Amino acid sequence: AQSVTQLGSHVSVSEGALVLLRCNYSSSVPPYLFWYVQYPNQGLQLLLKYTSAATLVKGINGFEAEFKKSETSFHLTKPSAHMSDAAEYFCAVSNEAAGNKLTFGGGTRVLVKP
Amino acid sequence: EAGVAQSPRYKIIEKRQSVAFWCNPISGHATLYWYQQILGQGPKLLIQFQNNGVVDDSQLPKDRFSAERLKGVDSTLKIQPAKLEDSAVYLCASSLALAGPREQFFGPGTRLTVL
Repeated sequence: AQSVTQLGSHVSVSEGALVLLRCNYSSSVPPYLFWYVQYPNQGLQLLLKYTSAATLVKGINGFEAEFKKSETSFHLTKPSAHMSDAAEYFCAVSNEAAGNKLTFGGGTRVLVKP
Repeated sequence: EAGVAQSPRYKIIEKRQSVAFWCNPISGHATLYWYQQILGQGPKLLIQFQNNGVVDDSQLPKDRFSAERLKGVDSTLKIQPAKLEDSAVYLCASSLALAGPREQFFGPGTRLTVL
């Protein structure tokens, strides 16, 4: 079985401040981990993914995430928030045993204040 | 490269009516997924196809939901009869293959409101 918990359904940050979105996962086998972003009235877009290579993963739009096996975490960060980062972010887990089926967390909505 | 296409974008129906959604995946993508995203929640997988075969439909409410992928390309998802709790965004996604951590590409979704 696999699951994802995202801490905080809403996060508010000031423009230029650090963005930190938390994700903890559960997986009985080595996981693949993903972060997706969803803008209003749009589908999900992949930000980055971890597939058992480097533990620090860099994605698009200046985002990065670090896989920490000991903490079962895959937190997403961006050093300096931009107004265009206002969106909903979803962490997801999959693994080979589950047929690479994605299981999503509940999402974190990011508000960027000017 | 054209993305995943879905139609309609919005649909409003009354409970007990039927509704169908259409998805055209990215050309060459063998794997197709339908997700249900209820407001305030993450997407939940309903059904997964590999070409025209079903890989996983364990979370599809089969008493009212059905899906098909004729010829392994386009897909339709049907709800009959709809219930109030079916109000959600229905997302279609596709990926190149089933194996490995392949990126899933999502369409814009169909927002269903059941009154």
